[in-house]
Amino acid sequence: DADVTQTPRNRITKTGKRIMLECSQTKGHDRMYWYRQDPGLGLRLIYYSFDVKDINKGEISDGYSVSRQAQAKFSLSLESAIPNQTALYFCATRASGSPDTQYFGPGTRLTVL
Amino acid sequence: TQLLEQSPQFLSIQEGENLTVYCNSSSVFSSLQWYRQEPGEGPVLLVTVVTGGEVKKLKRLTFQFGDARKDSSLHITAAQPGDTGLYLCAVNSGGSNYKLTFGKGTLLTVNP
Repeated sequence: DADVTQTPRNRITKTGKRIMLECSQTKGHDRMYWYRQDPGLGLRLIYYSFDVKDINKGEISDGYSVSRQAQAKFSLSLESAIPNQTALYFCATRASGSPDTQYFGPGTRLTVL
Repeated sequence: TQLLEQSPQFLSIQEGENLTVYCNSSSVFSSLQWYRQEPGEGPVLLVTVVTGGEVKKLKRLTFQFGDARKDSSLHITAAQPGDTGLYLCAVNSGGSNYKLTFGKGTLLTVNP
């Protein structure tokens, strides 16, 4: 089984709908991250969390919110989806104090019509 | 201004050819990472370079960190179709609050 899983893998929704993307990990890492990837723009950080009580904004947090329900779960919400949020979304984890390796999930392809 | 500039943006070559891709910045970094992302998957770490001038080899891939720790290169010898993917460089831009900033990547296609 994969160490970092994301659900759903694909989602098509309409403008104005609320969407939640979920990430779970079995690596026991305390740090979790959400990125979005757009063609030609690379990966950009949306939010990150260093433990259950710690949430931090990344470079493009507007229009998004997150919840760290447990050490192993980190969800990303779009309260009112808009077309320019169409992108690939990746969750990643990292162990604090370890070699600087982030482990990425397989991604969620989100399309907002 | 982009923290990391990767070049070329796209590269299409024939199997067996050699290639080099670059990651450049005007900033100095304590370390730099290279990731490879295959279609439909998340990025996977290939290597971390730490020391200026450092060279690391991973089979047919050779990674070099610039002497001034501002740039890095990835050289692939005798490329194979399995090397096809998006190559991303990344640095820690958060200091003690570790968070990665990525370049936009080089999309490599190796044709059989």
